[in-house]
Amino acid sequence: EAGVTQFPSHSVIEKGQTVTLRCDPISGHDNLYWYRRVMGKEIKFLLHFVKESKQDESGMPNNRFLAERTGGTYSTLKVQPAELEDSGVYFCASSQLNGGYGYTFGSGTRLTVV
Amino acid sequence: GENVEQHPSTLSVQEGDSAVIKCTYSDSASNYFPWYKQELGKRPQLIIDIRSNVGEKKDQRIAVTLNKTAKHFSLHITETQPEDSAVYFCAASDGTASKLTFGTGTRLQVTL
Repeated sequence: EAGVTQFPSHSVIEKGQTVTLRCDPISGHDNLYWYRRVMGKEIKFLLHFVKESKQDESGMPNNRFLAERTGGTYSTLKVQPAELEDSGVYFCASSQLNGGYGYTFGSGTRLTVV
Repeated sequence: GENVEQHPSTLSVQEGDSAVIKCTYSDSASNYFPWYKQELGKRPQLIIDIRSNVGEKKDQRIAVTLNKTAKHFSLHITETQPEDSAVYFCAASDGTASKLTFGTGTRLQVTL
């Protein structure tokens, strides 16, 4: 079974630019999550999709972040315009089950805003 | 909302010794507590989890204990090996909301 795949693995952009991160979940996993870890801090929840619908986006920091999940398959997370504090590692995870069970994480995208 | 605190932030042990990482949580509704291991450059992987109807769970050299009254849970690794070196995260969920609330991570270094 293929795992959760994230692109790119690293991205360095200048403040004010736009970046789009992509996540391909495990096939058949309706639940898709985005998390972010800022250096030295906790892995923090951003949002949760069930199929193509946003189930919970309470963790999205502000309106510079836009997440989509086309047709309930892959998801994108766009940051526009990027700020310095957006730097961190963005993780995607997917699961078949609700309730926080059975997460499979991707390897993350390390975003550096300079 | 839920808040999870994790200690210590770094832990260095000699090979063969035991390592203990502790977490506390704030929401008494939380009932699922997974632990993730993240090796350098790799994805976080679930290594063990416990639900609130159980006080202890063991899987070979790894065990997790849960004290619901005190709202804390701990990861115990016995007979540590160099390949145990990684960052370990605890997390909590109330089992209805699908999001996990994570601790800040513990960097474990197992030295020879």
